[in-house]
Amino acid sequence: GAVVSQHPSRVICKSGTSVKIECRSLDFQATTMFWYRQFPKKSLMLMATSNEGSKATYEQGVEKDKFLINHASLTLSTLTVTSAHPEDSSFYICSAVKGQFDSYEQYFGPGTRLTVT
Amino acid sequence: AQSVSQHNHHVILSEAASLELGCNYSYGGTVNLFWYVQYPGQHLQLLLKYFSGDPLVKGIKGFEAEFIKSKFSFNLRKPSVQWSDTAEYFCAVNASGGYNKLIFGAGTRLAVHP
Repeated sequence: GAVVSQHPSRVICKSGTSVKIECRSLDFQATTMFWYRQFPKKSLMLMATSNEGSKATYEQGVEKDKFLINHASLTLSTLTVTSAHPEDSSFYICSAVKGQFDSYEQYFGPGTRLTVT
Repeated sequence: AQSVSQHNHHVILSEAASLELGCNYSYGGTVNLFWYVQYPGQHLQLLLKYFSGDPLVKGIKGFEAEFIKSKFSFNLRKPSVQWSDTAEYFCAVNASGGYNKLIFGAGTRLAVHP
């Protein structure tokens, strides 16, 4: 199998605080993970590509100082929303690529709903 | 820049009706194409994918899709839908050699009534 988990599934935080979201590949090693943001009734927007042991690659328009990504191991990537504001409220989804031979298939986590009050 | 458009935002069908969801992409080079499904309250799951070869691709749960290169299209079909097919369907494109980066369409919400 290829299972990806996210923690927490829901989080509510106050404006100005930081929130960390974890993405784990449970039964495989993932050299590459992706972070997406999904707005209500809209598609997934790729935020950044996270590669184990190197700096993340951010998409145009995504503030790297606001959305800190760390991919410290082959099974864990974290997204930290720093100094969160209400407009950061959204559904954040991660995905992981399983190895090089399956490199075109991404396995998705269940998502984390962030609400900033 | 690559983009993906899904023509139908919301589709309502009765059980046993046939389904076709449109997907067009804009990219001039070689692409890999995907359809993902998101059932209510669940995470995205891969329905089917096309990399090369036979342009008619069969996926899970009776779904299939046809890649028509001249039309830049990858439409999803199912001859007879079931209530359990109620979900949101996303078409996605990855430029070959594009480091696995997926570009998603806006999604189509399918509601199947018994």
